[in-house]
Amino acid sequence: SAVISQKPSRDICQRGTSLTIQCQVDSQVTMMFWYRQQPGQSLTLIATANQGSEATYESGFVIDKFPISRPNLTFSTLTVSNMSPEDSSIYLCSVEERNGIYIQYFGAGTRLSVL
Amino acid sequence: GQQLNQSPQSMFIQEGEDVSMNCTSSSIFNTWLWYKQDPGEGPVLLIALYKAGELTSNGRLTAQFGITRKDSFLNISASIPSDVGIYFCAGQPPYTSGTYKYIFGTGTRLKVLA
Repeated sequence: SAVISQKPSRDICQRGTSLTIQCQVDSQVTMMFWYRQQPGQSLTLIATANQGSEATYESGFVIDKFPISRPNLTFSTLTVSNMSPEDSSIYLCSVEERNGIYIQYFGAGTRLSVL
Repeated sequence: GQQLNQSPQSMFIQEGEDVSMNCTSSSIFNTWLWYKQDPGEGPVLLIALYKAGELTSNGRLTAQFGITRKDSFLNISASIPSDVGIYFCAGQPPYTSGTYKYIFGTGTRLKVLA
């Protein structure tokens, strides 16, 4: 399976600032996904990032708040903009591998606390 | 939208006991995945299920794809302390809108008492 590296692993940020999270994969992948996991909760899909096209956002998530870049087949970034304490969560990068079926693998996540 | 109900929500068991958990939905799924998430880590894939009725094992873990395609089960035999964590199921609905997105269950928090 692909090896996924996320940076930073954790951060503490001030209200009103922005944080960019990086996701690097050791192999070329078509589909990358960004999830949010609020404390004690399950995973919620923010958006799907396909190389060469605009990210597709899920209901309740907008590009102005969570801009995503996907410059190549091994890298993506998620920015959490104008942060508030409600944005305190774990943000997870995931990649899709296709081998007859579609399986998602995850990075270790970025633990964000907003004061 | 589609939802996955996972149960139990949490469980405390004695070391050596067997564990069972399940995911159910009112919708059908094409693929089921089971993950484990340790504190401070991302989810790690345990088992993937591709066909209705399929039974697949990975060491002490056994998972089944329900025959109705609306549910899946995970069993852990002879639990050990390192089985502690949160277990998530994920179901893939039929292909829509050009992507194969997964829906995640609410998680089962497992604690093992030595």
